[in-house]
Amino acid sequence: AQTVTQSQPEMSVQEAETVTLSCTYDTSESDYYLFWYKQPPSRQMILVIRQEAYKQQNATENRFSVNFQKAAKSFSLKISDSQLGDAAMYFCAYRRVGNTDKLIFGTGTRLQVFP
Amino acid sequence: GAVVSQHPSRVICKSGTSVKIECRSLDFQATTMFWYRQFPKQSLMLMATSNEGSKATYEQGVEKDKFLINHASLTLSTLTVTSAHPEDSSFYICSARKGNQPQHFGDGTRLSIL
Repeated sequence: AQTVTQSQPEMSVQEAETVTLSCTYDTSESDYYLFWYKQPPSRQMILVIRQEAYKQQNATENRFSVNFQKAAKSFSLKISDSQLGDAAMYFCAYRRVGNTDKLIFGTGTRLQVFP
Repeated sequence: GAVVSQHPSRVICKSGTSVKIECRSLDFQATTMFWYRQFPKQSLMLMATSNEGSKATYEQGVEKDKFLINHASLTLSTLTVTSAHPEDSSFYICSARKGNQPQHFGDGTRLSIL
């Protein structure tokens, strides 16, 4: 069975600095998707970034980028130039390629941003 | 971007009441919709997956007679918590997806049973 592990329950960063959130996963599939979702205090789930496993190039979205290491089954999220609005729970998620396949979430990392 | 509307956002009701939560995809046809439950400071727990026009697939441990899911169209799914009790109080979130596109989430429903 596929699993997603986030080993950092809490992280903190100073405003304008860079922080990296860790995520590892376990799967026997060769093709799949990986995601980072953000859940601010409003509890809305917001898609931050998406990576397709067959693509070697790391995904980037403005200040957010990932370090995807397929062999190591690692998918970390780097947030550059951190802003106060980045404070939230961050969930790493995995999904097999398939129309009805479900997201498997990690336990989440709470990110605090200090001014 | 894709929008998923979930209604109501907050429900407070007496024990024994049945509560219906709606989830709509506003600008795309959702081939699959998902219902999650989230306890405080925990991750999302998948309750069931539903495809339009077919019965929902429930996760292990989720009572299908307690949590009725209807996916009547490509833009609407409903979750009905039947005869709700205080232990059913939680945050419920729906999400919708078209094919292999990313999932988009509703804003959630905070259910409180007195």
